[in-house]
Amino acid sequence: NAGVTQTPKFQVLKTGQSMTLQCAQDMNHEYMSWYRQDPGMGLRLIHYSVGAGITDQGEVPNGYNVSRSTTEDFPLRLLSAAPSQTSVYFCASSYWKGSLNTEAFFGQGTRLTVV
Amino acid sequence: SQELEQSPQSLIVQEGKNLTINCTSSKTLYGLYWYKQKYGEGLIFLMMLQKGGEEKSHEKITAKLDEKKQQSSLHITASQPSHAGIYLCGAVPSGGYQKVTFGIGTKLQVIP
Repeated sequence: NAGVTQTPKFQVLKTGQSMTLQCAQDMNHEYMSWYRQDPGMGLRLIHYSVGAGITDQGEVPNGYNVSRSTTEDFPLRLLSAAPSQTSVYFCASSYWKGSLNTEAFFGQGTRLTVV
Repeated sequence: SQELEQSPQSLIVQEGKNLTINCTSSKTLYGLYWYKQKYGEGLIFLMMLQKGGEEKSHEKITAKLDEKKQQSSLHITASQPSHAGIYLCGAVPSGGYQKVTFGIGTKLQVIP
């Protein structure tokens, strides 16, 4: 099993460009999420999905779109990149046991720089 | 929203020494995760605590959730260079089990 796979690992964008960060998991997890990690801010939730066709906003959703057409994939789209979106992005997936998420598996991260 | 405060923010210890990292929540915790992150890499799951007073151990790392479920501590016994990294706690708030909130993290360095 590959776990959670994120691509690309590194990306440099110009202000105003758009791009999609890819996230795929092969564990059949219902729950997937995107975080950004910035120095002094910790991990902040951008968007999450509780299953195919269902997404919702997290703490910092502005400037980002998501969709979940399959259980396996949860891409994150930057509509018009801004320097404030320079960050490390992590995708995570998990399943539920009872009413609580169990262990979340994280991807290796995408380091994005917007110039 | 739920806030998590981790202390200390950074820690340098001599190899072989014990250490403790704390995670304090502004609200009652319905679940508490501990993760470790090496620089430039993803997060590695250490353990999850759910019940007040619960304590779990994995190798030389022990984590406990206090009875009131608003604070957790992570204790490393006889630290080794392999323990170095950033330790993050993640909280599951009431009614929002999808929205795990993370602390800023504690950076640990272990000097041989």
